[in-house]
Amino acid sequence: SAVISQKPSRDICQRGTSLTIQCQVDSQVTMMFWYRQQPGQSLTLIATANQGSEATYESGFVIDKFPISRPNLTFSTLTVSNMSPEDSSIYLCSVEHLDRGRRNEQFFGPGTRLTVL
Amino acid sequence: AQKITQTQPGMFVQEKEAVTLDCTYDTSDPSYGLFWYKQPSSGEMIFLIYQGSYDQQNATEGRYSLNFQKARKSANLVISASQLGDSAMYFCAMREGEGTGGFKTIFGAGTRLFVKA
Repeated sequence: SAVISQKPSRDICQRGTSLTIQCQVDSQVTMMFWYRQQPGQSLTLIATANQGSEATYESGFVIDKFPISRPNLTFSTLTVSNMSPEDSSIYLCSVEHLDRGRRNEQFFGPGTRLTVL
Repeated sequence: AQKITQTQPGMFVQEKEAVTLDCTYDTSDPSYGLFWYKQPSSGEMIFLIYQGSYDQQNATEGRYSLNFQKARKSANLVISASQLGDSAMYFCAMREGEGTGGFKTIFGAGTRLFVKA
């Protein structure tokens, strides 16, 4: 299994500012995913981050608002830009472990709880 | 388009009894994977169990088993001998293109389980 850490674990930010969330994995992974979970809601995929290429964003999410970096196979960042209270959510990093001999597993980081005032 | 449905927003179960959480899915891809995750109040996503669309037998992991009925497109989670620590939110999820990697996972709305002493 993969061990994933995220920084910060939580933050309270003022509207109009930006926050960068870091995701570190203890092993090299091809695909990293960023999800958002708004209060009381399910998980929604923001984007898929592949090392060495531009992130692929889901409908409703744009690069200007959620720029993503993926400099190597163990690290990624998600920035929430020009924040508003509607951005208050848990942001989760996830990685896929593709094991053709067994199964495809998907693991999640502990999440970053963001509150925007 | 792929879709995951969890019709039970909340469920109650008596401690030590078994409980079934429902999940139905819809996909046109013959190769897919089904997941169940537990999310306690701390917010972390805990992987519980996985079922591949080509798996012949239902998946089991300790007290968790997945009742996979492919023709009915259902993947219900059965928790045996419920414990107080099982009280949490449970999400069913699906990923298409299993075995190839890089496909997004979508999540159902979730079921909140309450275990009564």
